[in-house]
Amino acid sequence: QVQLQQSGPGLVKPSQTLSLTCVISGDSVSSNSAAWNWIRQSPSRGLEWLGRTYYRSKWYNDYAVSVKSRITINPDTSKNQFSLQLNSMTPEDTAMYYCARTSRGYFDFWGQGTLVTVSS
Amino acid sequence: DIQMTQSPSSLSASVGDRVTITCRASQSITSSLNWYQQKPGKAPNLLIYAASSLQSGVPSRFSGSGSGTDFTLTISSLQPEDFATYYCQQGYSLPRTFGQGTKVEIK
Repeated sequence: QVQLQQSGPGLVKPSQTLSLTCVISGDSVSSNSAAWNWIRQSPSRGLEWLGRTYYRSKWYNDYAVSVKSRITINPDTSKNQFSLQLNSMTPEDTAMYYCARTSRGYFDFWGQGTLVTVSS
Repeated sequence: DIQMTQSPSSLSASVGDRVTITCRASQSITSSLNWYQQKPGKAPNLLIYAASSLQSGVPSRFSGSGSGTDFTLTISSLQPEDFATYYCQQGYSLPRTFGQGTKVEIK
């Protein structure tokens, strides 16, 4: 059974960088059939896909246009995890953040979520 | 981006009722449509993938249908544990996009 365990701060100051980590068990971040995603959810924006990283003989990343200039998703094969960095945070980035695995376009396993508040 | 529109936004139903939720895509997504259930304080949980395939462990009272732009999630006999919010999501192209949700409440 795949399990995703998230960690990271729940409070970020405006203009600072959000850093979250998702540790994978039961699968590999280097899997040739899965992709590893970050999604956020807020009352104003609903469920919003932010981006993904995946391995198909080499590493690839895809990002949502809305955050493309501020986001980095990195795999860490030594720890079997992947991370989210989102720069220049504003109150509009306040949301519940989830990591999730995709297999053939659907999100079949999710992390527990991290509520991130952007406030000074 | 492909826009996903669900209807209704909310509904009230009784235990034992048959419930239908619809999802419309702004362009054809073939059968690349997935449904999730979300309960308060929890992550979404995959129910149906590829429009009509039941995810392992999901009760058979849940079913999905449709292709192209119009899709349906049906709960054949609503159970107390089914009161939740339901989301559709297209897996056809990037960015992955979700519907706004349908909240199923107790009548």
